[in-house]
Amino acid sequence: GDSVTQMEGPVTLSEEAFLTINCTYTATGYPSLFWYVQYPGEGLQLLLKATKADDKGSNKGFEATYRKETTSFHLEKGSVQVSDSAVYFCALRNTRTGAGSYQLTFGKGTKLSVIP
Amino acid sequence: GAGVSQSPSNKVTEKGKDVELRCDPISGHTALYWYRQRLGQGLEFLIYFQGNSAPDKSGLPSDRFSAERTGESVSTLTIQRTQQEDSAVYLCASSTQGQRNNSPLHFGNGTRLTVT
Repeated sequence: GDSVTQMEGPVTLSEEAFLTINCTYTATGYPSLFWYVQYPGEGLQLLLKATKADDKGSNKGFEATYRKETTSFHLEKGSVQVSDSAVYFCALRNTRTGAGSYQLTFGKGTKLSVIP
Repeated sequence: GAGVSQSPSNKVTEKGKDVELRCDPISGHTALYWYRQRLGQGLEFLIYFQGNSAPDKSGLPSDRFSAERTGESVSTLTIQRTQQEDSAVYLCASSTQGQRNNSPLHFGNGTRLTVT
């Protein structure tokens, strides 16, 4: 079945540091890939997405490129801020039809803490 | 507009009792999902509704778990004879379905269930 593996946390960075959170996936077909973010005390929110190979999703200074050859969708940000402290989830949604075709499969989440 | 609303936000119950968790999706969203998030774990898919029918119940962990949706709107997740391992945050999400797999899921803030 489909699966998502992301780097174990927690990750602690100083403000303005460079961030990478690794994400790799296993799936048949041509999934869409997503990063969701969960800020403290809030629900999951979509951060960015990419729907086909070589697409780059971007939002709020975060970027991730859909790499089919390495089955990866690593999240990056050039300069993190304290307000970026949250839990980040990588997810995929597959194109297979039939029951369960549109559910998201999530990674376990990576907690990021940014200190001033 | 209003997002996905879940109630109650917190529920403490004694082992063996039944609980009902409610989800109000975004108006017009035909797809509705329930996920479970245990402490320190990723999100586990429970069930998916398209309209009022549930073509995918594959994630329900046991026959103590059931869910229904009415009026292509509100959904209720029921857990009978709760056990301590049922303690988790239960998340509801909705999306516009169509035939595309890249429409994002919009999540509620979840119901934190604690079974004592």
